[in-house]
Amino acid sequence: AQSVTQPDIHITVSEGASLELRCNYSYGATPYLFWYVQSPGQGLQLLLKYFSGDTLVQGIKGFEAEFKRSQSSFNLRKPSVHWSDAAEYFCAVGRAGGTSYGKLTFGQGTILTVHP
Amino acid sequence: NAGVMQNPRHLVRRRGQEARLRCSPMKGHSHVYWYRQLPEEGLKFMVYLQKENIIDESGMPKERFSAEFPKEGPSILRIQQVVRGDSAAYFCASSPSIAQGASRDYGYTFGSGTRLTVV
Repeated sequence: AQSVTQPDIHITVSEGASLELRCNYSYGATPYLFWYVQSPGQGLQLLLKYFSGDTLVQGIKGFEAEFKRSQSSFNLRKPSVHWSDAAEYFCAVGRAGGTSYGKLTFGQGTILTVHP
Repeated sequence: NAGVMQNPRHLVRRRGQEARLRCSPMKGHSHVYWYRQLPEEGLKFMVYLQKENIIDESGMPKERFSAEFPKEGPSILRIQQVVRGDSAAYFCASSPSIAQGASRDYGYTFGSGTRLTVV
């Protein structure tokens, strides 16, 4: 069964500092990987996704993520955080093919707090 | 092009009542997925539907929960005889019809959710 671990429940950074949110997955084949962001009381917005090819994926709002197969990781990064980035971030893994196609498994989420 | 529409945004039910949550997918999308987010937790898959078909309901509780996606109209998630533990945010997502295998369109659009409170 596939699973996703986000080791950091809560991260606090200063505005302008760099950010890295960790995500480790467990999956028997090549995964499809996603990062979503959720503001309080809101739905989820897709930041970026990885299917294949270039392991460094660019997303919206200046975010990027790197797929490292050897480490089963898909960490999210941003070089300079803005106060508006404060939110909860979810990593998710999906599978290709079969009746479970489209079904995502989410991590527990990482809450990002940004200090001015 | 409207996104995934969920209503109501907030729903309060007394224990024992029924809750009906609606989801209208994006235009052109024929796949719908329901997820539940309990407080302080991530999203958990519940059910995957295509028009008039349940494809995967492995995440649905065995009792009281049902889902449908009729030929016409929105997808409905129905919870009978609600209990306090059903209080959660319920999210719907949709995706276009996709063939088996890799697709660059893979990736959901989520609605804003329905927050169910059982009192």
